[in-house]
Amino acid sequence: AQSVAQPEDQVNVAEGNPLTVKCTYSVSGNPYLFWYVQYPNRGLQFLLKYITGDNLVKGSYGFEAEFNKSQTSFHLKKPSALVSDSALYFCAVRDLRNDYKLSFGAGTTVTVRA
Amino acid sequence: SAVISQKPSRDICQRGTSLTIQCQVDSQVTMMFWYRQQPGQSLTLIATANQGSEATYESGFVIDKFPISRPNLTFSTLTVSNMSPEDSSIYLCSADRDTANTEAFFGQGTRLTVV
Repeated sequence: AQSVAQPEDQVNVAEGNPLTVKCTYSVSGNPYLFWYVQYPNRGLQFLLKYITGDNLVKGSYGFEAEFNKSQTSFHLKKPSALVSDSALYFCAVRDLRNDYKLSFGAGTTVTVRA
Repeated sequence: SAVISQKPSRDICQRGTSLTIQCQVDSQVTMMFWYRQQPGQSLTLIATANQGSEATYESGFVIDKFPISRPNLTFSTLTVSNMSPEDSSIYLCSADRDTANTEAFFGQGTRLTVV
């Protein structure tokens, strides 16, 4: 079985401060990990992915994520948050033994205050 | 990347009626999926829309309630049948390549309210 966990329902930060959204995973085999963002009344937008290679992955809108195999984590980070980063963030993992289906975390609501 | 157009973007429907949601992809894709996102919740996979064969449904979802069509490699529909207020949700379609190392793309979603 595969799963991802996002331990925080909400993250609140001040604009200009670092932003971290946590994700841990549990998979059989090598993990294929993804981060998506959902703005109000919108679909999901792809931010970044880890497949193999460097543990630090850079993505859209200044976001990056660090893959840590020993801690089975894939935390999303942004050095300096913007008010426009306020949205719902989902971590997801592919199950390579189940037709590559995506399994999503519960989501984390990020609020960046001015 | 693929662009997915999903419609309607929202609808308010009477209980007992049905609604068909359409999803058009701007390029051919192997895999298409339909998800449900209940208010404040994560995405739950309803089914995989297979081209040329019947859809594959996840546990808890059945074809009679959520019939799906996939007539070609760029289009799919999901029908929510005999609706009840419990079906009020956001429904999302997704397109995927046939390789695990690529990201999936999503339509903008259909916000359904059943009254």
